[in-house]
Amino acid sequence: EAGVAQSPRYKIIEKRQSVAFWCNPISGHATLYWYQQILGQGPKLLIQFQNNGVVDDSQLPKDRFSAERLKGVDSTLKIQPAKLEDSAVYLCASSLDGTGVGEKLFFGSGTQLSVL
Amino acid sequence: AQKITQTQPGMFVQEKEAVTLDCTYDTSDPSYGLFWYKQPSSGEMIFLIYQGSYDQQNATEGRYSLNFQKARKSANLVISASQLGDSAMYFCAMREQQTGANNLFFGTGTRLTVIP
Repeated sequence: EAGVAQSPRYKIIEKRQSVAFWCNPISGHATLYWYQQILGQGPKLLIQFQNNGVVDDSQLPKDRFSAERLKGVDSTLKIQPAKLEDSAVYLCASSLDGTGVGEKLFFGSGTQLSVL
Repeated sequence: AQKITQTQPGMFVQEKEAVTLDCTYDTSDPSYGLFWYKQPSSGEMIFLIYQGSYDQQNATEGRYSLNFQKARKSANLVISASQLGDSAMYFCAMREQQTGANNLFFGTGTRLTVIP
C-alpha cells in the first residue's frame, strides 16, 4: 500500500515569494492534515480536511497561507507571500475518517522550506 | 499550559540496552489517546505505539512498550534491546475527545542516539 506522498522534498525561496506544496494521501483516507514543524519543535496543526471540507483551520495564518483539497483527494498548501519565519518542514498526514481518539495518522516525508 | 511535555532534549543509550523516554501530559478530558512517533533523519513521522485513557493494560508493540501512569499523567516510552536504527527523534502526542478528536498535540521531542 502506498504511503502519503509529498512534493517537493526541498524548496528554497526568497522572502515575499510564493510557494506551493502538494500532498497525495493514502487511498481511501477521508481525513487530511497539514502540519508545520519548526526546527526544534514538535509538529503543529495548520489545517484539517474531512473529504473536501475544512474541519479545523484555527491555526492557519490566513493572511498568507491557503489550502485546498479538491475532490477530497489531493491537497495543496500555498504560502503567499512567504516570511522568514515560515522556514520549517511542512508535513502532510492522512487518517481513515478523522474520528476517535485512537485513530492513527500516517505522515509523508515532508517538504523542507527555507525562506532567505 | 503545555499539553505534552518532554523534558529530555537528548538521550544516549548503549546498543542492546533498554532506554526510557519521558512524557507527561495535561488534560481534563477523561477520554484521550496517547501516541509515540519516531522521526528519523529522513523526516517521516512513523507511528510506534498507542495507549487509550481507558486501557487497563500498558500497550506493547514488539520492542516498544508504554509505561502508562494515569494518576501521574505520564506515558513514558520504553525501548528494549536498542538498535543503531533506533537513533532518531521521538515525539509523544495526545488527542482529546472534547476537542472533537481533531488535533494531535505533539511535544518538543527527544533525540535518541544509540551508541555502538
